[in-house]
Amino acid sequence: DADVTQTPRNRITKTGKRIMLECSQTKGHDRMYWYRQDPGLGLRLIYYSFDVKDINKGEISDGYSVSRQAQAKFSLSLESAIPNQTALYFCATNGVRGGRGQPQHFGDGTRLSIL
Amino acid sequence: GENVEQHPSTLSVQEGDSAVIKCTYSDSASNYFPWYKQELGKRPQLIIDIRSNVGEKKDQRIAVTLNKTAKHFSLHITETQPEDSAVYFCAASPDMRFGAGTRLTVKP
Repeated sequence: DADVTQTPRNRITKTGKRIMLECSQTKGHDRMYWYRQDPGLGLRLIYYSFDVKDINKGEISDGYSVSRQAQAKFSLSLESAIPNQTALYFCATNGVRGGRGQPQHFGDGTRLSIL
Repeated sequence: GENVEQHPSTLSVQEGDSAVIKCTYSDSASNYFPWYKQELGKRPQLIIDIRSNVGEKKDQRIAVTLNKTAKHFSLHITETQPEDSAVYFCAASPDMRFGAGTRLTVKP
């Protein structure tokens, strides 16, 4: 889904480094999400934002922070990376119609390896 | 926040058989329930969804049912084909938490 762009696509870094993963969307959606997926496992919600002034913790927010710089941009930061944060990270967006959620659109993912 | 549980974690069927995957949710305010298919190394793709004002929805070989009273919803795939093999996830609004996933294998 080229409307949701994640950068970088792959990143290898060392323990203790600060890392930022970026997500931008051209769909005009208010809602944006960050998920983490470990091998063979499901998607776990890290943070989500329903608009620029709204940030909410998900299931596994410890060790992560986010910034919603604009409606179209939502960044995920690892302040001091540790090896167990090695995973595939997905950004997703969706809108709302009539008070009900709409399908999410996902980026291609960022594969992060922390040595 | 919402808590979504999904069963089974793995499912193996013969080609042509039906497959059923079930999810339960905890937040009675949830009103949107999508299902996604994910192939290895790729992003999840929406296959069908249902809203809380509807009890059942069909799209060719795929159907989803919702029981709001019991807070559960199910994915039904009929006449399964090898290309249906993938990992399937359910999710629930408002915060779009996902179930743990079901790895479906369709044997030719």
